[in-house]
Amino acid sequence: NAGVTQTPKFHILKIGQSMTLQCTQDMNHNYMYWYRQDPGMGLKLIYYSVGAGITDKGEVPNGYNVSRSTTEDFPLRLELAAPSQTSVYFCASSYSRGGGNTEAFFGQGTRLTVV
Amino acid sequence: DQQVKQNSPSLSVQEGRISILNCDYTNSMFDYFLWYKKYPAEGPTFLISISSIKDKNEDGRFTVFLNKSAKHLSLHIVPSQPGDSAVYFCAARGTGNQFYFGTGTSLTVIP
Repeated sequence: NAGVTQTPKFHILKIGQSMTLQCTQDMNHNYMYWYRQDPGMGLKLIYYSVGAGITDKGEVPNGYNVSRSTTEDFPLRLELAAPSQTSVYFCASSYSRGGGNTEAFFGQGTRLTVV
Repeated sequence: DQQVKQNSPSLSVQEGRISILNCDYTNSMFDYFLWYKKYPAEGPTFLISISSIKDKNEDGRFTVFLNKSAKHLSLHIVPSQPGDSAVYFCAARGTGNQFYFGTGTSLTVIP
């Protein structure tokens, strides 16, 4: 059971370049999330999605874009990369219907360095 | 503005003793609280949770306590084992099924 899979695991990006971080889940979860974790900080929510075709901003959305064309995939797009986007990025998914209590499952993370 | 706070960046405990990790939150609308464990170079993994309608939830060596009036929760690990050494994140669920995380507490269990 793969769970949440992120690619790539590591990447070095030059300032001004763009890239897409991939995330896919095989648990048929309706909710998906992108977080970033900076040193000594907690996880900050970038964007989330409540289902295919629906996305919304989290706490720190600037400089990022997302799309959710399928239940399984939730790619995160960085446009015009900046050094401030150097971070570890985590994708997560969860299932929620009618307010039930379920946890979020996380991928292994993508360590991104912008130079 | 940090809605979930873990004020102790690190904690060291002797093997076999109790580990107590603390977490405070500010948003009274949070309805579900979770603890995650994270090893280096891995994603966080779910450990234990508690609904806002309860004040205690136990799972083996792990117990989570919730004090809603104080907006405080804690994770007790007893007995602590060296394999428990990791970073522990407290999280809370807000509206829209969004999860808000604390900054983490690095637990070291000394053999």
